[in-house]
Amino acid sequence: GQNIDQPTEMTATEGAIVQINCTYQTSGFNGLFWYQQHAGEAPTFLSYNVLDGLEEKGRFSSFLSRSKGYSYLLLKELQMKDSASYLCAVRDDKIIFGKGTRLHILP
Amino acid sequence: DAGITQSPRYKITETGRQVTLMCHQTWSHSYMFWYRQDLGHGLRLIYYSAAADITDKGEVPDGYVVSRSKTENFPLTLESATRSQTSVYFCASSESWGNQPQHFGDGTRLSIL
Repeated sequence: GQNIDQPTEMTATEGAIVQINCTYQTSGFNGLFWYQQHAGEAPTFLSYNVLDGLEEKGRFSSFLSRSKGYSYLLLKELQMKDSASYLCAVRDDKIIFGKGTRLHILP
Repeated sequence: DAGITQSPRYKITETGRQVTLMCHQTWSHSYMFWYRQDLGHGLRLIYYSAAADITDKGEVPDGYVVSRSKTENFPLTLESATRSQTSVYFCASSESWGNQPQHFGDGTRLSIL
């Protein structure tokens, strides 16, 4: 079956680094996306991985290992505005979203 | 301004009524999607469309109908609303199926009493 797992909630401190993991089991694979969603708002695109390795984009980086069915989103120099849910999504013949990880940032 | 807009933003209706949620995008994106988002389930795909007059079922299509007569519009109709369809509905579009991200509308919060 199709399944994407992420931790439900995480807490980190302002200025620190946090890693949000995502594991997936899907029938096919055509890429993995990370989205950010603030409470009451729409998801917005953060990153895309289709090949193994690390993609860096400013304070955010995303890693993919296709053989392990594993990805993580790394957030550096955390700011209060990073408090949000982070959604992992895998695209095969359709797109499947994980349930999201709610990240709380403490001052 | 270019973008993707959903209407209405909020809707309250009664069980058994028909309700249509509208979605309009100005990018001329080929792909459009409808999701529902519920606590404990995350985003679930209801229907999607690869082009005008081409639609396909997602994970949870039962009780919903879509159409796409024009590239820019992708309305979602609940033919006979049920309480279990109370949810936040998001429309999204993307330029292609490959590495292009989806762009989401602001959502419609639908309550069925």
